Amino acid sequence: DAKTTQPPSMDCAEGRAANLPCNHSTISGNEYVYWYRQIHSQGPQYIIHGLKNNETNEMASLIITEDRKSSTLILPHATLRDTAVYYCIVRPYNNNDMRFGAGTRLTVKP
Amino acid sequence: DTGVSQDPRHKITKRGQNVTFRCDPISEHNRLYWYRQTLGQGPEFLTYFQNEAQLEKSRLLSDRFSAERPKGSFSTLEIQRTEQGDSAMYLCASSLLAENTGELFFGEGSRLTVL
Repeated sequence: DAKTTQPPSMDCAEGRAANLPCNHSTISGNEYVYWYRQIHSQGPQYIIHGLKNNETNEMASLIITEDRKSSTLILPHATLRDTAVYYCIVRPYNNNDMRFGAGTRLTVKP
Repeated sequence: DTGVSQDPRHKITKRGQNVTFRCDPISEHNRLYWYRQTLGQGPEFLTYFQNEAQLEKSRLLSDRFSAERPKGSFSTLEIQRTEQGDSAMYLCASSLLAENTGELFFGEGSRLTVL
């Protein structure tokens, strides 16, 4: 499986967009990019996934570069409740599990 | 609440004792996963079931660990002869094979402290 690189921590002002980067330069053609987040003392929560097209849902937007070597998760209007660890994961679509790295700890500040 | 439930939420035990955790997945979810998470780290995959069959085990799952899902519904994770290094959060997740979107639904975990 391809590996991902994320900054260990980021801050964001409440109400502003949070842009979380992820590098996955060794991603294979059949591997998707997934984002999960984990709020303190809770289990991880699925956010979004994509292959090569940009994706948007009610939680976030996922922007994948044309060469697929990196992506950005965008929380358009961050709130204090978005403070969490955000995990970027790549895996084949038909694989059986998620392999988590250390993630990015996002702190949203008032 | 129809989410993934885990029991107990917290367990404190002495080194050498056996502990068992239970996970009740979302009904109709045929895949069930166990993960372990230590402080400051992301969850580490331990094992997964498809219905009652255990299809993959991580090398992290030593001989002291055993997981079962006898009827394809709830699952148990037993740790025998616990060691201090087993102290961690044990997370369970479930998913629906037919969808295979990569969306795993996690429980809130069972935190184990080995004294």
